[in-house]
Amino acid sequence: EIVLTQSPGTLSLSPGETATLSCRASQSVSSSYLAWYQQKPGQAPRLLIYGASNRATGIPDRFGGSGSGTDFTLTIRGLETEDFAVYYCQQYGRSPGYTFGQGTKLEIK
Amino acid sequence: QITLKESGPMLVKPTQTLTLTCTFSGFSLTSSGGVGWIRQPPGKALECLAVIDWKDNTNYSPSLKSRLTITKDTSKNQVVLTMTSMDPVDTATYYCARRLWGGSGSAGGYFDYWGQGILVTVSS
Repeated sequence: EIVLTQSPGTLSLSPGETATLSCRASQSVSSSYLAWYQQKPGQAPRLLIYGASNRATGIPDRFGGSGSGTDFTLTIRGLETEDFAVYYCQQYGRSPGYTFGQGTKLEIK
Repeated sequence: QITLKESGPMLVKPTQTLTLTCTFSGFSLTSSGGVGWIRQPPGKALECLAVIDWKDNTNYSPSLKSRLTITKDTSKNQVVLTMTSMDPVDTATYYCARRLWGGSGSAGGYFDYWGQGILVTVSS
């Protein structure tokens, strides 16, 4: 079964800076079938990116996804205070098809 | 406007069976798409439990498959999850979400709309 490992566990940055979050898969994720979600305390996750690099509807262009195979990255440029949250990656390229990473917490420095 | 809402008991006893209902609007499961159940223990990561699509194809978490059943009622726009033999470690917020198919060659999909979640506590 495929395992997704996100790093770092916690990232401390200041507003205006650029965040780089990593998601590494234990096996190649077919055709970049990877999504990213943002979750704020007490809220449901929100889809940010699908297909490794496609922004979901309404997602600002400061959010960008990249990568393929086993290494994927979520980049957030010009951090705003509302971006500080927990981020999860999820793969859907390999069975069982709905594996999540353990999350990266992005906190204000 | 797409919405999903979870309903069910907020407290169950160990060994009991949990039944959760997801009632959705703004889309249909008669000709496309799917709905999944995802849970999140307090302070922990997301875990997908089960997904059902419009053709009644189902996908279960391998580690929980023996305890889970997912069904749909298209006439009511509902998806129901049952989970047997509940244990305190199953205490979590349970979400339902709309699943979009990942595309040709994918093994599943991603979730674009989520319900608010329901916190289920397992305790005697």
